[in-house]
Amino acid sequence: AQSVTQLDSQVPVFEEAPVELRCNYSSSVSVYLFWYVQYPNQGLQLLLKYLSGSTLVKGINGFEAEFNKSQTSFHLRKPSVHISDTAEYFCAVSDVNGGFKTIFGAGTRLFVKA
Amino acid sequence: GAVVSQHPSWVICKSGTSVKIECRSLDFQATTMFWYRQFPKQSLMLMATSNEGSKATYEQGVEKDKFLINHASLTLSTLTVTSAHPEDSSFYICSARGGVVNEQFFGPGTRLTVL
Repeated sequence: AQSVTQLDSQVPVFEEAPVELRCNYSSSVSVYLFWYVQYPNQGLQLLLKYLSGSTLVKGINGFEAEFNKSQTSFHLRKPSVHISDTAEYFCAVSDVNGGFKTIFGAGTRLFVKA
Repeated sequence: GAVVSQHPSWVICKSGTSVKIECRSLDFQATTMFWYRQFPKQSLMLMATSNEGSKATYEQGVEKDKFLINHASLTLSTLTVTSAHPEDSSFYICSARGGVVNEQFFGPGTRLTVL
């Protein structure tokens, strides 16, 4: 069975600074990887996904992530954050061969300070 | 992109009553739908997976007699919380898999409050 570990529960950062949210996964089979953002009292919004191909994936709002198979990681990065990026970020893994059910990490709260 | 809707978006009910939540894929046929539960300040926990026309597969620890899932068509799945109690209060999110590239799309969620 697959699992997802988000190493930081909270990440405070100043506006316009770079940020990296870490995500590691474990799975014995091929996986798809995702990052979602959730604003308070709202549903999930897909930031980006890795299905295959290039390991560097670019998403919306200036976010990008790099799939590292040897380290089983899929860290999310943004070179310069804005106040509006304050939200909860979830890394997720979907088992390609197991019915595509998606398992989520515990989440990382990104708090951008002025 | 593909759209998944949920109805209602929020519901308040009395303890002991049953509540039905609908999940619809609006512009694609969903071969599989998933139901998640999210408690405040926590992650999404997968409750069950349902395929159209067959019984849902529940995750370990989820009571199938309490959380009834019906996937009667390729565009509709329902989750019924039977005899709801305050501890069932949560944010319930569905997702649907389908479309051209067989991706998974999430609904906006339903907030259930049981008094």
